[in-house]
Amino acid sequence: NAGVMQNPRHLVRRRGQEARLRCSPMKGHSHVYWYRQLPEEGLKFMVYLQKENIIDESGMPKERFSAEFPKEGPSILRIQQVVRGDSAAYFCASSRDSPLAVHEQFFGPGTRLTVL
Amino acid sequence: SQKIEQNSEALNIQEGKTATLTCNYTNYSPAYLQWYRQDPGRGPVFLLLIRENEKEKRKERLKVTFDTTLKQSLFHITASQPADSATYLCALLTSNTGKLIFGQGTTLQVKP
Repeated sequence: NAGVMQNPRHLVRRRGQEARLRCSPMKGHSHVYWYRQLPEEGLKFMVYLQKENIIDESGMPKERFSAEFPKEGPSILRIQQVVRGDSAAYFCASSRDSPLAVHEQFFGPGTRLTVL
Repeated sequence: SQKIEQNSEALNIQEGKTATLTCNYTNYSPAYLQWYRQDPGRGPVFLLLIRENEKEKRKERLKVTFDTTLKQSLFHITASQPADSATYLCALLTSNTGKLIFGQGTTLQVKP
């Protein structure tokens, strides 16, 4: 059973370009979470999605960032018009059930975004 | 304001000793608390979960305590080994949000 997969593992973009980060959850998992980790900082929650629904996006910046988890295919975190401050590691996690059902989250290896 | 804090300074201990890491929180009412391990360049890996009505949980050489009065969790690794060297993250689930809030992590270095 493959774990959470993220691609690309490393992404370099110039300021003003778009970044698309992909996450395929573990088989059988319908809950996806995105986190951002800045250097020397902890993981910061960004967004929680179920298939075709955004459940909680309270950690997402209001502008330039969006996320989706379509019925078919991976979850996508999209950052438009990237700036240097967007440089970070972006982790995706998945769980079988809602967090309130008390299940651990399984994390992917992360995508390291560098904005030049 | 809401805060979750872990020791920011690295913890250095000798192989064979017990490592104890602390997680304190304020202004949260967590339904449960989790501990994760993160190695450099990798995603966090789940270790243990403890519910608000549990005082202690064990798994092999790991032990977690949860004191909702002190608003603190302690994470112990007994008979520590150099392979235990990593950053350890605590995370809270608060019953009214459904999202995990992570501490900034404590780096453990076990010396042979």
